[in-house]
Amino acid sequence: DAGVTQSPTHLIKTRGQQVTLRCSPKSGHDTVSWYQQALGQGPQFIFQYYEEEERQRGNFPDRFSGHQFPNYSSELNVNALLLGDSALYLCASSLGQRQYFGPGTRLTVT
Amino acid sequence: GNSVTQMEGPVTLSEEAFLTINCTYTATGYPSLFWYVQYPGEGLQLLLKATKADDKGSNKGFEATYRKETTSFHLEKGSVQVSDSAVYFCALTNNQGGKLIFGQGTELSVKP
Repeated sequence: DAGVTQSPTHLIKTRGQQVTLRCSPKSGHDTVSWYQQALGQGPQFIFQYYEEEERQRGNFPDRFSGHQFPNYSSELNVNALLLGDSALYLCASSLGQRQYFGPGTRLTVT
Repeated sequence: GNSVTQMEGPVTLSEEAFLTINCTYTATGYPSLFWYVQYPGEGLQLLLKATKADDKGSNKGFEATYRKETTSFHLEKGSVQVSDSAVYFCALTNNQGGKLIFGQGTELSVKP
């Protein structure tokens, strides 16, 4: 049984560009959450998707948006990238209480 | 708002030493508390959890007790191994399965 997978592993973008990160949840999981982990910091909650709707959102600007597909996979989109968006982006899936994390996508904005 | 504060790292110990990583929290209501571990190049893994006051979570020799009177959830292990070297995160949630609030992480390095 594959765990949570994320793509790509690494990504380099330029300021002002847009980026899309992808997440496939653990088999049977219907809820996907996204977190941003800056270097040396703990993860910060961006938002959570359930039944293709954004169910909960953290304190992130509207430049951060997401989507969940009928197969429960999810995308995180970030527009107008800033240098401060450089971070490890973690996806977590769940069915009920426990969240299982993927390995993350390392985004570098230059 | 809700928050988690951990002791700063890095923490460097010799193999078989006793480990304590302090964690205190601020939260409304009765949060659930967690310890996650992040090994180099890997995602976060749940190490242990406690869902109510005085609960003790335990796993792989690690323990933590939910202390509501001191709003703490300190992580302990009696004898660390080199393989325990990782970054440890304390976290809480007020919404089961929802938003997790993490501390800043504590890096542990265990030397042979």
